[in-house]
Amino acid sequence: DVVMTQSPLSLPVTLGQPASISCRSSQSLVYSDGNTYLNWFQQRPGQSPRRLIYKVSKRDSGVPDRFSGSESGTDFTLKISRVEAEDVGVYYCMQGTHWPMYTFGQGTKLEIK
Amino acid sequence: EVQLVESGGGLVQPGGSLRLSCAASGFTVSDYWMHWVRQAPGKGLVWVSCLNSDGSSTMYADSVKGRFTISRDNAKNTVYLQMNSLRTGDTAVYYCARGWTGAEGPAWWGQGTLVTVSS
Repeated sequence: DVVMTQSPLSLPVTLGQPASISCRSSQSLVYSDGNTYLNWFQQRPGQSPRRLIYKVSKRDSGVPDRFSGSESGTDFTLKISRVEAEDVGVYYCMQGTHWPMYTFGQGTKLEIK
Repeated sequence: EVQLVESGGGLVQPGGSLRLSCAASGFTVSDYWMHWVRQAPGKGLVWVSCLNSDGSSTMYADSVKGRFTISRDNAKNTVYLQMNSLRTGDTAVYYCARGWTGAEGPAWWGQGTLVTVSS
């Protein structure tokens, strides 16, 4: 199975400051159609996961533009330009390229300093 | 409004069975790939199973293969997860989710239902 490795696992951030979460895949995530199926999810405390980003960098409807995704080979990054209180939660990356063996990263817990 | 509402969770003894339901509204389940993903208490997300949009193919994680069965009832617009031979390690919140294609994976999620396997 493809292993997704996130870092850091804990991320204390000051309100208004930027935050960055890394996700590395053990294999290429480029699919046969040329797309890269790497998603980012946010799970707020007590809630179900919500997809923020799909295909590396495309924001889902309603997701603030302070969230962005990028890639460099098998390294993927989720960036929050200015952290707000509502951003507290756990963030997961997930690959769909090697379906049906979908795999998630371990999760990164973002908290306010 | 798109909604996925899971139900059927509860406490069951090891070796027992449970059937989870996922009632959809605001869309038709037969137009989408439907997934089940679980999350053990305090742990991360683990994909469990999916059913493709035309209903011809079901897929399972190795950990549940042979014990769990995914199905759907188009008339009720509902997806099910039949869970047999349950183990303590199956204890988790089970989420139902939909996606457009296989590669997209689970995109829109329900609120989840808790399954506790314990004697």
